[in-house]
Amino acid sequence: GENVEQHPSTLSVQEGDSAVIKCTYSDSASNYFPWYKQELGKGPQLIIDIRSNVGEKKDQRIAVTLNKTAKHFSLHITETQPEDSAVYFCAASPLGPLAGSARQLTFGSGTQLTVLP
Amino acid sequence: DAGVIQSPRHEVTEMGQEVTLRCKPISGHDYLFWYRQTMMRGLELLIYFNNNVPIDDSGMPEDRFSAKMPNASFSTLKIQPSEPRDSAVYFCASSSDRGHGYTFGSGTRLTVV
Repeated sequence: GENVEQHPSTLSVQEGDSAVIKCTYSDSASNYFPWYKQELGKGPQLIIDIRSNVGEKKDQRIAVTLNKTAKHFSLHITETQPEDSAVYFCAASPLGPLAGSARQLTFGSGTQLTVLP
Repeated sequence: DAGVIQSPRHEVTEMGQEVTLRCKPISGHDYLFWYRQTMMRGLELLIYFNNNVPIDDSGMPEDRFSAKMPNASFSTLKIQPSEPRDSAVYFCASSSDRGHGYTFGSGTRLTVV
């Protein structure tokens, strides 16, 4: 089955700096890679996703890059703000984009991001 | 849309008691997932349904765990008998083939004493 590794487990940055979280996956059939943000006491919330036919995707201060050859993908947050502090999870699914939605997502272990004011 | 609705938000029960967690997926979503989250193991998929049919329950830890989806708008996860090691946050999520990723509920924090 799929195995997703996520690094680092904790990350502290100064407000305004950039944050980068990296994930690797094992199943070459995986082609859907979402990122989730989990705030304290809440469920994970999808913030951005990327499919294997795209190498990079950006949404305001958040961007995700994918290297299928190396089987790794990364989340980049620029101009970090205190409200970005949360746990971030990457995930991967081996199911095809033709179906539209991932089913069995395998999650990374999470990164606790702290943005220091 | 109210999103994925889970109840109760918190549950404290004694070891050996039966626990039932409930989930209402987003209307129109045809996939429903149950996850368990702990510090040690992170997010673990327990079981998922497609069109109310269980597709993969290989993540269900033991026979003490069971899940049902009697209709498109309701699912339950039952633990009987409960044990202290079942203490965790249990999340329900739903998705559709036309959508993007999962939508998670707010979770049920279960404490078994």
